[in-house]
Amino acid sequence: AQSVTQLGSHVSVSEGALVLLRCNYSSSVPPYLFWYVQYPNQGLQLLLKYTSAATLVKGINGFEAEFKKSETSFHLTKPSAHMSDAAEYFCAVSDAAGNKLTFGGGTRVLVKP
Amino acid sequence: GAGVSQSPSNKVTEKGKDVELRCDPISGHTALYWYRQSLGQGLEFLIYFQGNSAPDKSGLPSDRFSAERTGGSVSTLTIQRTQQEDSAVYLCASSLAGIAEPTDTQYFGPGTRLTVL
Repeated sequence: AQSVTQLGSHVSVSEGALVLLRCNYSSSVPPYLFWYVQYPNQGLQLLLKYTSAATLVKGINGFEAEFKKSETSFHLTKPSAHMSDAAEYFCAVSDAAGNKLTFGGGTRVLVKP
Repeated sequence: GAGVSQSPSNKVTEKGKDVELRCDPISGHTALYWYRQSLGQGLEFLIYFQGNSAPDKSGLPSDRFSAERTGGSVSTLTIQRTQQEDSAVYLCASSLAGIAEPTDTQYFGPGTRLTVL
């Protein structure tokens, strides 16, 4: 069974600093990888989706993620944190058929002024 | 363009009661998914509908859980004889054709927060 590991359940960054959220997957061949963001009392919003077209994936709100097969990683970054980035972030992989998502445990980001 | 809507937004029920949670997907979306988000288990897949195909029920935690999708649109998740461990946020999502399509995306609703007393 696939699994997704997000290192760090909580991350605190200063406004303007680099945001780095780590995600490792266990599947040997993940069809698709995703990063979602969840703001308080809201549903999940897609940040970006890896489809094998390119290893560096650019998403919304200035986020990007790099797929590294050798490291089975798909870390999310943003060069400069904004206060509005405070939220919970989830990494996910699809199953082989690309129909179901398996999520990591989530990382809650706190942005300090 | 309305997004995915879910009702009710909050539901409090007593242990042993049955509950129904509703999901209205985005118009024209053929794929519909239910997930559960709880403190202990994180985000878990429950069930997936795609068009007229038989649903993938592999994520349903017990036979107390069932779901149907009428007319290829609205879906209802039913939990019978609720237990306290069923307390969670139930999220619904829809996509145009299924996330297996490279350009397709799941759009999530705001969720229904279920509390079982």
